[in-house]
Amino acid sequence: DAGITQSPRYKITETGRQVTLMCHQTWSHSYMFWYRQDLGHGLRLIYYSAAADITDKGEVPDGYVVSRSKTENFPLTLESATRSQTSVYFCASRTAYSGANVLTFGAGSRLTVL
Amino acid sequence: KNEVEQSPQNLTAQEGEFITINCSYSVGISALHWLQQHPGGGIVSLFMLSSGKKKHGRLIATINIQEKHSSLHITASHPRDSAVYICAVSGTSYGKLTFGQGTILTVHP
Repeated sequence: DAGITQSPRYKITETGRQVTLMCHQTWSHSYMFWYRQDLGHGLRLIYYSAAADITDKGEVPDGYVVSRSKTENFPLTLESATRSQTSVYFCASRTAYSGANVLTFGAGSRLTVL
Repeated sequence: KNEVEQSPQNLTAQEGEFITINCSYSVGISALHWLQQHPGGGIVSLFMLSSGKKKHGRLIATINIQEKHSSLHITASHPRDSAVYICAVSGTSYGKLTFGQGTILTVHP
């Protein structure tokens, strides 16, 4: 299916466990982003990627790891989950064309860390 | 002080009313975005503005670059417009956004 898909949509895990949230887009967009959304904080950028094998930190990168071996995939890994990482995570992508500044968001992944 | 401020934080309206949501920002930007998020739902981009005004159906977005201010208007509001409306600004070419806190809109029939 065309678009941007996130998996899993819902995940419950325990403190200290490793969790990976997947993001896949079918447009070959150069830029991909991971955001977390929390009450009182709005949306905050965790990591972004300008192309395959190019990633950089956003506002709140601590405790997260990303990789981008293929253009279409941008997984987000919580190496040792903490309760403060309970959140809704959104992946987004956009083309490199400077005139198309619109981001397209995935449906979100709701993560609960017990 | 946040770089992007929205007002009001909560807005309740009756069906048919004209609605305005405001967004002020304090940094230089390349574009301003209005996003919509329904309860439990994903985020949809409504508008991207760098100047002037855009209209899509009952939605109108305006921006005043000199005053660093944007407004989102909804004419003839409907209960299905109930959602969180988020203002975001992008200051770089790769589209990194800084978000406002969002405005929760509830439209009653």
